[in-house]
Amino acid sequence: DVKVTQSSRYLVKRTGEKVFLECVQDMDHENMFWYRQDPGLGLRLIYFSYDVKMKEKGDIPEGYSVSREKKERFSLILESASTNQTSMYLCASSPFQPGTGGYNEQFFGPGTRLTVL
Amino acid sequence: AQKITQTQPGMFVQEKEAVTLDCTYDTSDQSYGLFWYKQPSSGEMIFLIYQGSYDEQNATEGRYSLNFQKARKSANLVISASQLGDSAMYFCAMREDRIQGAQKLVFGQGTRLTINP
Repeated sequence: DVKVTQSSRYLVKRTGEKVFLECVQDMDHENMFWYRQDPGLGLRLIYFSYDVKMKEKGDIPEGYSVSREKKERFSLILESASTNQTSMYLCASSPFQPGTGGYNEQFFGPGTRLTVL
Repeated sequence: AQKITQTQPGMFVQEKEAVTLDCTYDTSDQSYGLFWYKQPSSGEMIFLIYQGSYDEQNATEGRYSLNFQKARKSANLVISASQLGDSAMYFCAMREDRIQGAQKLVFGQGTRLTINP
């Protein structure tokens, strides 16, 4: 059974703290993604990675960084947390699919609800 | 840039009725994929159904079907014989087809579906 796990379901941090959100997948997927979900805005892509040590910015990378030292693990880092980063954070993974077209589902973790006070 | 629009923030339906959730998309690409995900109150994202841009038949998965109208750029989800367990947020998403690297998903704002007994 495919599985994406995230280190915490709920997290409360203070403004200015450095925050690490961890994501691990056991499906040997090449691609991993970090999204944030806010009411009325859907899911927005923060960063993604298509290989170890490779990363690309998504639509809203400001205030975030990522690390992918091992294939199965993708970390999201908030260098100095702010209240506007209070949100639900979702990690996902998908296999590499060469070329274009075809089905390529993303598998999601359970999410981390982060509150920054 | 690709864009997904879900115009129904919330819908209320009687149990056993059919329901259609709207999704329109905007892209200049010829090759793309469309997904629907369900998110119950527990937070996990559950894949429901997929439609490729070159698929000639509408996708179906059990009680779920996708009404794909390519010329109108719409990909509505139809749930037949709704059940109480169908109450959830529903997201439409479009996959960008890239030659290299990860294939990203762009999500709509979501529709909250409530099934009344």
